Amino acid sequence: EADIYQTPRYLVIGTGKKITLECSQTMGHDKMYWYQQDPGMELHLIHYSYGVNSTEKGDLSSESTVSRIRTEHFPLTLESARPSHTSQYLCASSVLTGAYEQYFGPGTRLTVT
Amino acid sequence: AQSVTQLDSQVPVFEEAPVELRCNYSSSVSVYLFWYVQYPNQGLQLLLKYLSGSTLVKGINGFEAEFNKSQTSFHLRKPSVHISDTAEYFCAVSPLSSGSARQLTFGSGTQLTVLP
Repeated sequence: EADIYQTPRYLVIGTGKKITLECSQTMGHDKMYWYQQDPGMELHLIHYSYGVNSTEKGDLSSESTVSRIRTEHFPLTLESARPSHTSQYLCASSVLTGAYEQYFGPGTRLTVT
Repeated sequence: AQSVTQLDSQVPVFEEAPVELRCNYSSSVSVYLFWYVQYPNQGLQLLLKYLSGSTLVKGINGFEAEFNKSQTSFHLRKPSVHISDTAEYFCAVSPLSSGSARQLTFGSGTQLTVLP
């Protein structure tokens, strides 16, 4: 079944640790996205990619980085986590052309203590 | 650039009552319009979308929305809600132009709470 997966679903980690949030999709989509969502707030685009070896920054400035070595995989990394990084991170994918309807993963809720 | 305003941050409604969640947008170009639903601790799921054609769009779970170009609105409606409709609802727009500019812009969300 075509789907989009995120791991871990929940992560509690101490300040200064390096973390990688995983996102994989079996949708066959070229374009992938990372959003940051604070509780009760709108989604803010932090990174997106058109395909392999393509990465772009989104509207919201973020200290995280992303990579796209494989079409189906779009991990997000924080080199040194801080309490201000506490948030929900949502991964999404879409086709390159058309209405740009996006399909979302279940999200990773990150807490940095 | 586009912007989306969801006029109500919280909407409480009794079970089996009708509901309308309001969405207005601003854009200098024509747009596609979307409604997404987010259940607790889950990602977003597409409810419905307007691309072109009939301004009344039907989606999943009995929801529908009407595009009003003159009022730049895309309100979501359901004639009779269920407890299971309790969730956060997001309105979003995407410009028709091609290329990197075609990103989704989301509203701040409306929390729909269905009361027994």
